[in-house]
Formats: sequence, structure tokens, C-alpha cells
Amino acid sequence: GAGVSQTPSNKVTEKGKYVELRCDPISGHTALYWYRQSLGQGPEFLIYFQGTGAADDSGLPNDRFFAVRPEGSVSTLKIQRTERGDSAVYLCASSLEGPSNYGYTFGSGTRLTVV
Amino acid sequence: AQSVTQLDSHVSVSEGTPVLLRCNYSSSYSPSLFWYVQHPNKGLQLLLKYTSAATLVKGINGFEAEFKKSETSFHLTKPSAHMSDAAEYFCVVGSGGSNYKLTFGKGTLLTVNP
Repeated sequence: GAGVSQTPSNKVTEKGKYVELRCDPISGHTALYWYRQSLGQGPEFLIYFQGTGAADDSGLPNDRFFAVRPEGSVSTLKIQRTERGDSAVYLCASSLEGPSNYGYTFGSGTRLTVV
Repeated sequence: AQSVTQLDSHVSVSEGTPVLLRCNYSSSYSPSLFWYVQHPNKGLQLLLKYTSAATLVKGINGFEAEFKKSETSFHLTKPSAHMSDAAEYFCVVGSGGSNYKLTFGKGTLLTVNP
């Protein structure tokens, strides 16, 4: 596609529920990144995929968070037993190759609200 | 480890006047530095990037930034603000070796008054 697409754009869920957030990167981009932006803060790194594998998942806050990219394209961020503190905008980005000096293309994000 | 400090959380200017958004960084390596802009309900957009080719970097929409190693600064400027410049601006440093892990500042909200 022309840009990075994230769905849904908004998600409201109850505390304790499971949610999945989807990211469609730009076609042909092998690298994919997830970031989380809490209210009033800059985005924070969660995980980086190179192809199908997670090259760095050091930013995932705990084991309730998990992400997959089974075919090296679309990625899903999964959050189990959601907590109110998980409320944030979840951003996805992609780049043509791996580590790059030239910035990435970000999607518009999924705003997750846990009530 | 790297970090970024944006010195102002909010900057307000009048249309047609200069813009200065301040950023200081800390990096163990020769840094890659970026400025991103985020308009309401829009994705992050890359304004410009510094990757050691030139210390004065020109970006989109008339923005510039100057890398000053002695001051560890990367301030963003524009000679004349436009109403459409109103947005949140983030100064960002990339990991020295790989650059895939971006560290964002907390952001500066730019307001442009008519």
C-alpha cells in the first residue's frame, strides 16, 4: 500500500480483556517497528521485526504483550489481560531494509482505551 | 545509551514570525538525529534528518536544523511561521550502531497565532 495502515484506529476495551492491534506495512518493507505513545509523552520503542522474526523485543513492558509477523508482512500486537495503564496510542512504522539512518514511515496509530 | 531533552513543552508564536524549537541530546555514539511532526489525528511525519553529511540540515516545509556537537544541540528553526505549522514536534535520536531504536523527546507543542 501507499502508507502504513493500522487498524482499528480506535479501540475501547474493558479491563482484563484481550486485544489485537494490526499493522499493514508499506509493501516490500522488510523491517517493522511498534512504538507506544502515552498521553503527553513521546513514542517509546516496543519491538522491531526483520522479516518474520523479532530482532529486538526489549521494549515490550511485560509478558502480557506479544507481537507476531508470521509472513513477514502484516504484524499483530497482542495484549492479554489489559490494564488501564495500557491505554495509549500504539504506533507502527516500517522501512525498506533493516537499520536505517533515514527515518521510518509511521502509521496513524491505534488509540487503545482500557476502561 | 542515548536521550533527548526538548527544552520547551509549549511554544507560541505569531504567524509570520520565526520559530525556534530547542533540543539537546545525549549519545554514546556519533548520533543520527531527526525531527518529526505530528498533526492532530495524523501519523508522525519526518521533517528532517542529520546523518553526519552536513551540520545544517534542510527539511520539508521550510524547516531547518543545525547540529552543534560542542553544544550537543539540534535546534529546529523556521524563518516565518504559518498557521499550518501548528502541531507537536518531536526531536529524536537513533541508536548509534543500528538506528532502528528511536528515542523520542517528550515533544514541543507549537501554537501559531493569527
